[in-house]
Amino acid sequence: TAGITQAPTSQILAAGRSMTLRCTQDMRHNAMYWYRQDLGLGLRLIHYSNTAGTTGKGEVPDGYSVSRANTDDFPLTLASAVPSQTSVYFCASSDLAVNTGELFFGEGSRLTVL
Amino acid sequence: GQNIDQPTEMTATEGAIVQINCTYQTSGFNGLFWYQQHAGEAPTFLSYNVLDGLEEKGRFSSFLSRSKGYSYLLLKELQMKDSASYLCAVFDSNYQLIWGAGTKLIIKP
Repeated sequence: TAGITQAPTSQILAAGRSMTLRCTQDMRHNAMYWYRQDLGLGLRLIHYSNTAGTTGKGEVPDGYSVSRANTDDFPLTLASAVPSQTSVYFCASSDLAVNTGELFFGEGSRLTVL
Repeated sequence: GQNIDQPTEMTATEGAIVQINCTYQTSGFNGLFWYQQHAGEAPTFLSYNVLDGLEEKGRFSSFLSRSKGYSYLLLKELQMKDSASYLCAVFDSNYQLIWGAGTKLIIKP
């Protein structure tokens, strides 16, 4: 069972360059999320999408954009990377129709911006 | 502001019992989650509490007191594989998940 697939697993990026982190799920979940995780801090929500065609801003959206053209894909784009965007990025999905709202996470993408 | 507090790190002995506490101050409450995250891996779901009381699932139990803004995760018969970070998260009134920074649990033989 694939679940959620993220790519790339890791990437080193020069400051000022653009980058798209890919996320695909095969569970037909309506909601998808992008988080960043930094040492000593909790998971912080960047952007989310409750259904295909809609997106919303999370806690730390600046410098990032997302799109949700279909149910399965939710790419995250850094238009012009800065060193403070060095982090581990997790994509997640959930079925909003389920009471618990459990999140299923991808394996993460480790991004280093130099 | 919204805040979730949990200890940064705890150490316990293999075979013992450990309790990881979580206190929260959020705008509304629609449920509390515990996730486990091994180093370098993704978080995985452990438990969900929305009503007061204890939920038991094998060696793991989770307790909630909404009036106190308090939860704990109880791990029994600790095994070396339980060494991980344990993340507490709360659904606020808008069903946005607010995450604690996580508790790193170190298990010693």
